[in-house]
Amino acid sequence: AQSVTQLDSHVSVSEGTPVLLRCNYSSSYSPSLFWYVQHPNKGLQLLLKYTSAATLVKGINGFEAEFKKSETSFHLTKPSAHMSDAAEYFCVVSEWDNFNKFYFGSGTKLNVKP
Amino acid sequence: DGGITQSPKYLFRKEGQNVTLSCEQNLNHDAMYWYRQDPGQGLRLIYYSQIVNDFQKGDIAEGYSVSREKKESFPLTVTSAQKNPTAFYLCASSSGGSSYNSPLHFGNGTRLTVT
Repeated sequence: AQSVTQLDSHVSVSEGTPVLLRCNYSSSYSPSLFWYVQHPNKGLQLLLKYTSAATLVKGINGFEAEFKKSETSFHLTKPSAHMSDAAEYFCVVSEWDNFNKFYFGSGTKLNVKP
Repeated sequence: DGGITQSPKYLFRKEGQNVTLSCEQNLNHDAMYWYRQDPGQGLRLIYYSQIVNDFQKGDIAEGYSVSREKKESFPLTVTSAQKNPTAFYLCASSSGGSSYNSPLHFGNGTRLTVT
């Protein structure tokens, strides 16, 4: 079975500084990995996904993530934070077992200070 | 635009009443899911459906029921047997079937408050 660990429940950065949100996973198979963002009282929006094509994945709003198999990590980064990035971020792993099952991390709340 | 519509956005009910949350998608997706979100607990799977007229229990199905009579619709009923129904409920869909790697697409959620 898969599991997903988001290493920080809260991250606080200043506007204009880099963002790093950490995610580690365990997987019995070659995983598919996703990052989602959730603004208050909204659904989850897909930021990016890794599906074994390239280890560095670019997503929307300037975010990117690097898949490191040796470290079982899929950390999310952004070079320069914007106030609108303040939200909760979820790392998600899927496994295929005749059906797409999804495993969610517990989320990281990103606070961006002016 | 294609997407998932959940209604209503806010729902208030008295304890002991059943309530049905609506979820409609026009993405032509085979698979649909219901998740419950509580503060600090991430998302937990309630029910999922791979195909019309078939659905499976997720991790926290007790006190909930679903139906899948049409491909585009997957309503969730929160019954009076659910001990702590107040939560944020999210519906999602994916291509499913043989579409390995297909991501989840989410609706904007329904916040249910039971008093």
